Amino acid sequence: GQNIDQPTEMTATEGAIVQINCTYQTSGFNGLFWYQQHAGEAPTFLSYNVLDGLEEKGRFSSFLSRSKGYSYLLLKELQMKDSASYLCAVRDRDDYKLSFGAGTTVTVRA
Amino acid sequence: GAGVSQSPRYKVAKRGQDVALRCDPISGHVSLFWYQQALGQGPEFLTYFQNEAQLDKSGLPSDRFFAERPEGSVSTLKIQRTQQEDSAVYLCASSLGRGGIIDTQYFGPGTRLTVL
Repeated sequence: GQNIDQPTEMTATEGAIVQINCTYQTSGFNGLFWYQQHAGEAPTFLSYNVLDGLEEKGRFSSFLSRSKGYSYLLLKELQMKDSASYLCAVRDRDDYKLSFGAGTTVTVRA
Repeated sequence: GAGVSQSPRYKVAKRGQDVALRCDPISGHVSLFWYQQALGQGPEFLTYFQNEAQLDKSGLPSDRFFAERPEGSVSTLKIQRTQQEDSAVYLCASSLGRGGIIDTQYFGPGTRLTVL
């Protein structure tokens, strides 16, 4: 089974940086995904890590440490439109199923 | 290029009614997934298709839930004799499924089911 933990809520100021942590305990691991989900909308893909280290994509970066069962999503230069839920998901070793955390609601204030 | 579409977007059912939720995946995507998302929670896996074959239905909560993908494209999730605990958003996702390293799942907007 999968146990994936992330904080429930975070608040930050426009222009600032926020780091969303995700820890996981899984029976198998074949990659970690971050999705963004605005209220009432589809989750949209942000990033993917399967090897240790940092993946940078514009204002968003994601880090993975497989030995620690730990990932974080870093959002830089926050904009109001970044207010959303951020979902951490682990793909199991069978290479298809995603197990999600409960999501972190980020609120960006002016 | 169209994304994953789902219909209806909203469905209200009386307890005991049967419902059918439709998913149109991205054209050419081999893999199709159904997830259930309760309010304030992350999506929970229900079932997985590779083309028309249902390879994993371990997440279906009861035998009232049934999914099919008869021609390997459009899929339908059917819930019989709906109960209040079935109220949730039902998300469909598809992926290329051709052994790519990332094989990202792309999600539809979901169907919000409310059972009264």
